[in-house]
Amino acid sequence: DTGVSQDPRHKITKRGQNVTFRCDPISEHNRLYWYRQTLGQGPEFLTYFQNEAQLEKSRLLSDRFSAERPKGSFSTLEIQRTEQGDSAMYLCASSFGKGSSSGNTIYFGEGSWLTVV
Amino acid sequence: GIQVEQSPPDLILQEGANSTLRCNFSDSVNNLQWFHQNPWGQLINLFYIPSGTKQNGRLSATTVATERYSLLYISSSQTTDSGVYFCAVRGSQGNLIFGKGTKLSVKP
Repeated sequence: DTGVSQDPRHKITKRGQNVTFRCDPISEHNRLYWYRQTLGQGPEFLTYFQNEAQLEKSRLLSDRFSAERPKGSFSTLEIQRTEQGDSAMYLCASSFGKGSSSGNTIYFGEGSWLTVV
Repeated sequence: GIQVEQSPPDLILQEGANSTLRCNFSDSVNNLQWFHQNPWGQLINLFYIPSGTKQNGRLSATTVATERYSLLYISSSQTTDSGVYFCAVRGSQGNLIFGKGTKLSVKP
């Protein structure tokens, strides 16, 4: 059983460039989440998909951020025109849940570290 | 929104000691999870525990949902237990809301 996988694990980019992260959830998990974590803080929720539908977006997700899950399987998180403040670890997670229920255990990937220089 | 507070923020233990980490939350929650984040950033599930008590080896957790708190017990701590322990609760939208964590350092 493979867990949640994320790619790339590390990314260094120049300010103003675009970056894209990919997440492959645990197979058959219909829910997928993106979180961001900065040093010394807990993860902060960014957005959430149930199948291919993006159901919730945090106010942290500015216009420069976009997430997709086109076929209800893998997801991408793109950051356009990166800023130094975007430097963080971006975590993907998945779970299985039915309807509007709160679902079960959420499993996290190893994260993608972004450094904007 | 729901507030999650963890205490203590930092904890230093001698190997072999026991500890209790606490998580308070401000509103009714649908469920609660405890995680251990290792030095490489991986968040490892410890417990899914919306209520009651669970044990897994040297770790156990208790959630009293009616009083809005959860406790994580670590017995006979080992250096490999070092890292940050997070409590996270799930609100009505389904996403997890994390506390700021307890940073545990176990000294040999």
